[in-house]
Amino acid sequence: DTAVSQTPKYLVTQMGNDKSIKCEQNLGHDTMYWYKQDSKKFLKIMFSYNNKELIINETVPNRFSPKSPDKAHLNLHINSLELGDSAVYFCASSQGRVNQPQHFGDGTRLSIL
Amino acid sequence: AQTVTQSQPEMSVQEAETVTLSCTYDTSENNYYLFWYKQPPSRQMILVIRQEAYKQQNATENRFSVNFQKAAKSFSLKISDSQLGDTAMYFCACRNYGGSQGNLIFGKGTKLSVKP
Repeated sequence: DTAVSQTPKYLVTQMGNDKSIKCEQNLGHDTMYWYKQDSKKFLKIMFSYNNKELIINETVPNRFSPKSPDKAHLNLHINSLELGDSAVYFCASSQGRVNQPQHFGDGTRLSIL
Repeated sequence: AQTVTQSQPEMSVQEAETVTLSCTYDTSENNYYLFWYKQPPSRQMILVIRQEAYKQQNATENRFSVNFQKAAKSFSLKISDSQLGDTAMYFCACRNYGGSQGNLIFGKGTKLSVKP
């Protein structure tokens, strides 16, 4: 009965590879997000998306791309992984963008060798 | 640009005592929402409490309460009767009402340790 689930929880891979992280929410929310938490625990928005609009944080490299097959899923694809991509990535969802709280997944720890 | 500042990187408190975590923010919007999230060692992000900027009354959730000072752009979190399970990183966050973003802007967090 997990509300926001991410897979995998841990991902270890080599520099230059392409990888995906999946996110699914069963809350019926219309908006989903991806955040990156760096080694200093700083959380930063990467994308927000509902079925009408994708908003990309301008600092996110275009090697990162969100893909949403339907309203309940927002997957994160990363091409040509770099050492600096090592972080914990959180998926979140909310109903609407503003006044409703965001529910977070448990995070995916991505380690680049 | 919207910013959120948490000036206390680490704090500790004795079990059963009260602790206050500080947060200040900067936004040009009149309508916005403020949140405190907790991240225990398990890594989950858990909503603790939220405050709508147009409400003057401070939000309260059981042992957690906020002191919201809109003019000073201050949003501190008070934890009463601290418990060992309160040990976690605490993040303050702000979210604008207007515009198409609505993204959470987080502070850098405060690591709280509750000691027995």
